[in-house]
Amino acid sequence: AQKITQTQPGMFVQEKEAVTLDCTYDTSDPSYGLFWYKQPSSGEMIFLIYQGSYDQQNATEGRYSLNFQKARKSANLVISASQLGDSAMYFCAMISGGYQKVTFGIGTKLQVIP
Amino acid sequence: DAGITQSPRHKVTETGTPVTLRCHQTENHRYMYWYRQDPGHGLRLIHYSYGVKDTDKGEVSDGYSVSRSKTEDFLLTLESATSSQTSVYFCAISEQGLAYEQYFGPGTRLTVT
Repeated sequence: AQKITQTQPGMFVQEKEAVTLDCTYDTSDPSYGLFWYKQPSSGEMIFLIYQGSYDQQNATEGRYSLNFQKARKSANLVISASQLGDSAMYFCAMISGGYQKVTFGIGTKLQVIP
Repeated sequence: DAGITQSPRHKVTETGTPVTLRCHQTENHRYMYWYRQDPGHGLRLIHYSYGVKDTDKGEVSDGYSVSRSKTEDFLLTLESATSSQTSVYFCAISEQGLAYEQYFGPGTRLTVT
């Protein structure tokens, strides 16, 4: 069965500091992909970053990077130089099952403190 | 921003009544998805479409049906709404499928009383 686990219901980070949001996954599929989405209080879902299971290098998108450790089945999101606008819910998700099945975690609420 | 709209944005309905939610896109993307978001569950896929008249079930499809007669519109119907279907419903689109970036609509908050 496919499963995404986000164990941090809430996180605080000081503005301009880096923060790591944890995500572990479980799948028996050899091919899969991992995503992170951001959901601000306004409610919309915003794509942040994607990592394929066969990608050799960790994905990066601006201040976002995905720390992919395949052996540990973890796909942590690292946000560098946090900004007040980063305060939001963050969801980790996995695509698997022949890229036909998507599973979301329950999210981590990040609050950036001035 | 991807051109995705959902209507209505808010709806309150009574148990047992049919409800249809509409998702409209202007991006001409092939794939369209319906999710529901509930506290403690994240997002769960209800149904998806990979082309006009081509649809398939997701993780939580019971009690829901969908239709896609045009590329730009994807309808989600609750045949007989139940209180357990009270949720926030998101539509998403993707150019190449689930393994690629999805763009989400603003969401519809549905309350079944």
